[in-house]
Amino acid sequence: NAGVMQNPRHLVRRRGQEARLRCSPMKGHSHVYWYRQLPEEGLKFMVYLQKENIIDESGMPKERFSAEFPKEGPSILRIQQVVRGDSAAYFCASSPPSSTYEQYFGPGTRLTVT
Amino acid sequence: LAKTTQPISMDSYEGQEVNITCSHNNIATNDYITWYQQFPSQGPRFIIQGYKTKVTNEVASLFIPADRKSSTLSLPRVSLSDTAVYYCLVVGYSSASKIIFGSGTRLSIRP
Repeated sequence: NAGVMQNPRHLVRRRGQEARLRCSPMKGHSHVYWYRQLPEEGLKFMVYLQKENIIDESGMPKERFSAEFPKEGPSILRIQQVVRGDSAAYFCASSPPSSTYEQYFGPGTRLTVT
Repeated sequence: LAKTTQPISMDSYEGQEVNITCSHNNIATNDYITWYQQFPSQGPRFIIQGYKTKVTNEVASLFIPADRKSSTLSLPRVSLSDTAVYYCLVVGYSSASKIIFGSGTRLSIRP
């Protein structure tokens, strides 16, 4: 059973460009979560999605950030007009419906904005 | 969401048992105690979860006293590969959508 997949693992963008981060949950998992981690800090919750629904986006900045989890395909975290402060590691996690407190994390995407 | 307090860092040696204690004074009736491990440049990994008394799996044991205001993660006979950051989380079953990670405990194991 493959784990949570994220791609790309590393992403470099210039200021003002768009960044798209992809996450494929574990097989059988219908819940996806996105977190951001700045260097030497803990993870910050961003958004919680189920298929075709955003359940909780209270941790996501109101502007420039969006997330989706379509019926088919991976979950996408999209950052428009990136700024240097967006540079961080972005982790995706998935869980089965029965135990949302047991989340399985992907390897992360390291975004660098130059 | 209950706030957790745990030591910022701990040091130990290979072969020793390591106990990391976490305080969660405001834990609610429906809350579970969950521990994650994170290696550098990797995503956190679920270690163990419990509600009360003692839980043991192949990786660790979790001790929770009757009042549930604290918990202790016990790692038996640590090795260098156990060097990581360990996060204690209190997660409400009904609000498990949002997991709040604190700063964690940075555990360093020496030869």
